[in-house]
Amino acid sequence: AQSVTQPDIHITVSEGASLELRCNYSYGATPYLFWYVQSPGQGLQLLLKYFSGDTLVQGIKGFEAEFKRSQSSFNLRKPSVHWSDAAEYFCALTTDSWGKLQFGAGTQVVVTP
Amino acid sequence: DTAVSQTPKYLVTQMGNDKSIKCEQNLGHDTMYWYKQDSKKFLKIMFSYNNKELIINETVPNRFSPKSPDKAHLNLHINSLELGDSAVYFCASNQGLSQETQYFGPGTRLLVL
Repeated sequence: AQSVTQPDIHITVSEGASLELRCNYSYGATPYLFWYVQSPGQGLQLLLKYFSGDTLVQGIKGFEAEFKRSQSSFNLRKPSVHWSDAAEYFCALTTDSWGKLQFGAGTQVVVTP
Repeated sequence: DTAVSQTPKYLVTQMGNDKSIKCEQNLGHDTMYWYKQDSKKFLKIMFSYNNKELIINETVPNRFSPKSPDKAHLNLHINSLELGDSAVYFCASNQGLSQETQYFGPGTRLLVL
C-alpha cells in the first residue's frame, strides 16, 4: 500500500531565511505528487504538483519542489520565507484514476521576525 | 465568487443528534470529495462522487451518508453523532482525473458535545 511521510512535524524559520520541507513516499511506481498549504482556519490551496517530465517543479508563492525517484522524495523549497508563509503544509499523492488523495501528516511552519 | 463553498462553517451539537453539511461548487467539475481532518490535522478521504455516482467509499461508519443531487452539490448527512465525529470536514472538487487539481472548500468545523 502506498504512503506519504513528512518527517518534520514542526519547523521554525526566520523571515528571509530559506525553507525546505521534506516529503517521502512509498509506492511501486511514480505517483502523482502534490503540495498543499493550509493557512490557519482556511481550506487547502495547491502550491504545485508533479506527474512526469522535469523533476524540478515551480509553484505559486515562490515555492518549488524537486522529485527524486532514487530517494522517493518530493521536497518543497522556498529561497526566502515571508511571514505570510506561516501555515501547515501537506504533501499528498494519488495513484488511482479518481484522484483519491492520500496526505502526509503535515508540517507546521512558524516564521519568526 | 467562491469556487467551493460549504455550509455551515461551524456546527456545535449534542451527541446523538443528526446533522447535515452542504457543499456546492461553481467550477463545472464532475467530481466532488469529502475529507475529514482530525484534531491532529490528519486528512483522510471519506467519499467521492463523479457525476452523481459514488466512486470512492472509504471505511466510514454507515452513520455517514453522502448525497449528490447534482454534479455541483455534495452533501454529507451524519446520524447519531458521536464525540469522535468532532473534526473539520472539507469538501473538494476536480475534473475527476488523478492529475487534476482538487479545489477545497473552507471547511466545516463540527464539535460534538
